[in-house]
Amino acid sequence: AQSVTQPDIHITVSEGASLELRCNYSYGATPYLFWYVQSPGQGLQLLLKYFSGDTLVQGIKGFEAEFKRSQSSFNLRKPSVHWSDAAEYFCAVGAGGTSYGKLTFGQGTILTVHP
Amino acid sequence: NAGVTQTPKFRILKIGQSMTLQCTQDMNHNYMYWYRQDPGMGLKLIYYSVGAGITDKGEVPNGYNVSRSTTEDFPLRLELAAPSQTSVYFCATRWDSTNQPQHFGDGTRLSIL
Repeated sequence: AQSVTQPDIHITVSEGASLELRCNYSYGATPYLFWYVQSPGQGLQLLLKYFSGDTLVQGIKGFEAEFKRSQSSFNLRKPSVHWSDAAEYFCAVGAGGTSYGKLTFGQGTILTVHP
Repeated sequence: NAGVTQTPKFRILKIGQSMTLQCTQDMNHNYMYWYRQDPGMGLKLIYYSVGAGITDKGEVPNGYNVSRSTTEDFPLRLELAAPSQTSVYFCATRWDSTNQPQHFGDGTRLSIL
């Protein structure tokens, strides 16, 4: 069975600092990987996705993530954080074929941004 | 183009009551999903559907039922509400093609007292 671990429950950074959110997955084949962001009281918005090809993927709002098969990781990065980035971030893994696009989510990482 | 619409946004139920959470989409997606979100637990899949008339259980289906009579609607039914079902519920849809992400509604916050 597939699984996702986000080791950091809560991260605090200063505005303008760099950010890295960790995500480790467990899956037998090549996974489909996603990062979603959730602002308070809102649904989940897709930041970026990885299916195949270039292991460094670019997303919206200046985020990027790198797929590292050897480390089973898909960490999210941003070079300079803005106060509006404060939210909860979820990493998710899915598979193709008969999985019908079902996703397994990590526990989430809450990001606090200090001015 | 509303995307995925969930109603109601908030609801308080008494133990043993029943209710239906509504989910409607206007994107003509065949795949639809119901998740529940509990603090520190991420999202857990309750039920999903790959088209009208086809539904299947997810990871945490107990206490819930679904139906899918049309492409647009995928209601989630709680028959006998229990405090353990206090949660935020999200509906999501997905185009039934490879390499497609899920699109989420804004959620229904449900409290059972």
